Amino acid sequence: DIQLTQSPSLLSASVGDRVTITCRASRGISYYLAWYQQKPGKAPKLLIYAASTLQSGVPSRFSGSGSGTEFTLTISSLQPEDFATYYCQQLNSDLIFGGGTKVEIK
Amino acid sequence: EVQLVESGGGLVQPGGSLRLSCAASGFTVSSYYMSWVRQAPGKGLEWVSVLYSSGTTFFADSVKGRCTISRDNSKNTLYLQMNSLRAEDTAVYYCARMSSGWEGSDYWGQGTLVTVSS
Repeated sequence: DIQLTQSPSLLSASVGDRVTITCRASRGISYYLAWYQQKPGKAPKLLIYAASTLQSGVPSRFSGSGSGTEFTLTISSLQPEDFATYYCQQLNSDLIFGGGTKVEIK
Repeated sequence: EVQLVESGGGLVQPGGSLRLSCAASGFTVSSYYMSWVRQAPGKGLEWVSVLYSSGTTFFADSVKGRCTISRDNSKNTLYLQMNSLRAEDTAVYYCARMSSGWEGSDYWGQGTLVTVSS
């Protein structure tokens, strides 16, 4: 079974910072990866799919890259509403999630 | 407007069964990939099961053999039947819609809480 490892698990940052989160797959998954944002008590929100395609309505400060086994989610300039937990998910048969990265205020 | 509304959660004893429902509106369930995702208190997201538009199903190892996923096209509703429930199945259960196998889940329900305890 494919496993997804996210790093870091906790990230402390300030408004305006450039933030990068990494998701590594235990074997190649091509571009079959999505990124989600989740705030406490809420359902996840789709940000990126197919590794780098921005979901409609998502601000352009979010971007995704990578293929195969290594993927990144970048927030170019962190905004107050971006403090949340982020998850990657592989989209090939078993829809496994990574362990999550909590972005907190520094 | 696309909406997903889960129901059926509650308190159940270990070894018991529960059927979760996810009523959809604004789209046709049978035309999409539909999945169940759960989140234990204070923990991360865990994928549970998916039902493709073709009828193909997949399950996480943690629930394989204990859960079935199905849909009722006449009611435009997705179901998750869970049997032999364990304490570790305690979680908020979300249903979610995927347009295809590579587009991610673009709509989610609000979740329904399942508590397994004696």
